[in-house]
Amino acid sequence: GAVVSQHPSWVICKSGTSVKIECRSLDFQATTMFWYRQFPKQSLMLMATSNEGSKATYEQGVEKDKFLINHASLTLSTLTVTSAHPEDSSFYICSARDQGHNQETQYFGPGTRLLVL
Amino acid sequence: QKEVEQDPGPLSVPEGAIVSLNCTYSNSAFQYFMWYRQYSRKGPELLMYTYSSGNKEDGRFTAQVDKSSKYISLFIRDSQPSDSATYLCAITTGAGSYQLTFGKGTKLSVIP
Repeated sequence: GAVVSQHPSWVICKSGTSVKIECRSLDFQATTMFWYRQFPKQSLMLMATSNEGSKATYEQGVEKDKFLINHASLTLSTLTVTSAHPEDSSFYICSARDQGHNQETQYFGPGTRLLVL
Repeated sequence: QKEVEQDPGPLSVPEGAIVSLNCTYSNSAFQYFMWYRQYSRKGPELLMYTYSSGNKEDGRFTAQVDKSSKYISLFIRDSQPSDSATYLCAITTGAGSYQLTFGKGTKLSVIP
């Protein structure tokens, strides 16, 4: 149980294009999902907290107009990197909180590797 | 002082050794403690989740929490090469947004 998927697993795009990453909780409902980015050899950096049916809460320094988050259902959250630039290249990981079981924990997706040329 | 301190290693041990990974924290409001394992280029995988002080065992893994000392540990018995990964401690107050505070992660290599 508690499986989270992400799609795509990797993406290469040209500078200036937008990229959408999907995060799905496959076997549980997640009112709260989280988006992280991780640079090589560094720990996870929380970008935003996504609540179903409401606006995401962004961490300080994260541009909400650049990283658009939509959490339209209890099993799906999307992160759109708008007008991507090479400095946005990173490993993006989502997680979901299972409100019905061990709700203090987070279950992570496999990550999406983004390379902006 | 950072909220969660974790020695980044790297830590290298021979196969079959007992591994001890540790984190300390400063905020007594933290109530829930987790250990994640992250393989290279993968998302973190939940290994252990504990609430109270004491030990919790799952197979070769034992999580230990000492709230009085604000110290948590993960022990791996009979370590295997497949245990080679980065281990992250994660802590939360369990309230509000349920955000996790992570340690930096300890990179473990188990040598055959």
